[in-house]
Amino acid sequence: KAGVTQTPRYLIKTRGQQVTLSCSPISGHRSVSWYQQTPGQGLQFLFEYFSETQRNKGNFPGRFSGRQFSNSRSEMNVSTLELGDSALYLCASSLAGATSDTQYFGPGTRLTVL
Amino acid sequence: AQSVTQLDSQVPVFEEAPVELRCNYSSSVSVYLFWYVQYPNQGLQLLLKYLSGSTLVKGINGFEAEFNKSQTSFHLRKPSVHISDTAEYFCAVSVQDQAGTALIFGKGTTLSVSS
Repeated sequence: KAGVTQTPRYLIKTRGQQVTLSCSPISGHRSVSWYQQTPGQGLQFLFEYFSETQRNKGNFPGRFSGRQFSNSRSEMNVSTLELGDSALYLCASSLAGATSDTQYFGPGTRLTVL
Repeated sequence: AQSVTQLDSQVPVFEEAPVELRCNYSSSVSVYLFWYVQYPNQGLQLLLKYLSGSTLVKGINGFEAEFNKSQTSFHLRKPSVHISDTAEYFCAVSVQDQAGTALIFGKGTTLSVSS
C-alpha cells in the first residue's frame, strides 16, 4: 500500500497570504489528522477529520481550517499567514481515529513565512 | 489542562547500553498512551501503544514501555541500543473527557547513540 502523501513538500509564503496544504491518506483510512511541528512548541495537534466531519480540534486560532473530501483526502488552509506559522505541517491517517489507533504519518510540508 | 512531560530533552548513550526515556502525563481521566519515533529526515512512526490490559507493552525494534497509573508515567525502555536507534522520540497521550478528545504530544527526547 502507498503511504501517506503530502503536497507540496516545501512552500514559501509572505505574511498576510493564505496557503492550502494537501494530504492523501493510506487507502481505506477514514481518519486524517493534522499537526504543526516547531522547535519551540514541538508537535501540536491541529484537528482530525473522520468521514468528512471534523471530529476533534486542537487549540489553534480560526485562521487554521481544514476539510476532508469523500475520498478521504484532506486539505488544510491557513489564512492571513504570520511569521509564527513557519513550521513543518504533518498529516497522519488511521483506520479508526487519531486518539486510539495507530497513525501513519506523511513526510510533512515545510512552510516558511517571510 | 492535560499535559505530557518528557523529562529529558536529550539522552546520549553508548551502543549496547540500556536506555530509558521518561514520560509523565497529567490526567484525571482514562487515557491511551503512545510512543512515536522520528528518524532523521523521516516521518513519525508508531513504536508502541497502550490502550488497556497488560501494563507492559512491547513494541517494534526491541522497545517496551510500562504504564504506571499511580505515577502517571509511561517510560520507554530498551535493554541494548544500536546506532540505528538514534532518533527523536515522542510520547503522546489521548484523553477523552467532557470537552471531547485530544491527542497531546510531549516535546520529544533526542536519543543519540554513539560507538
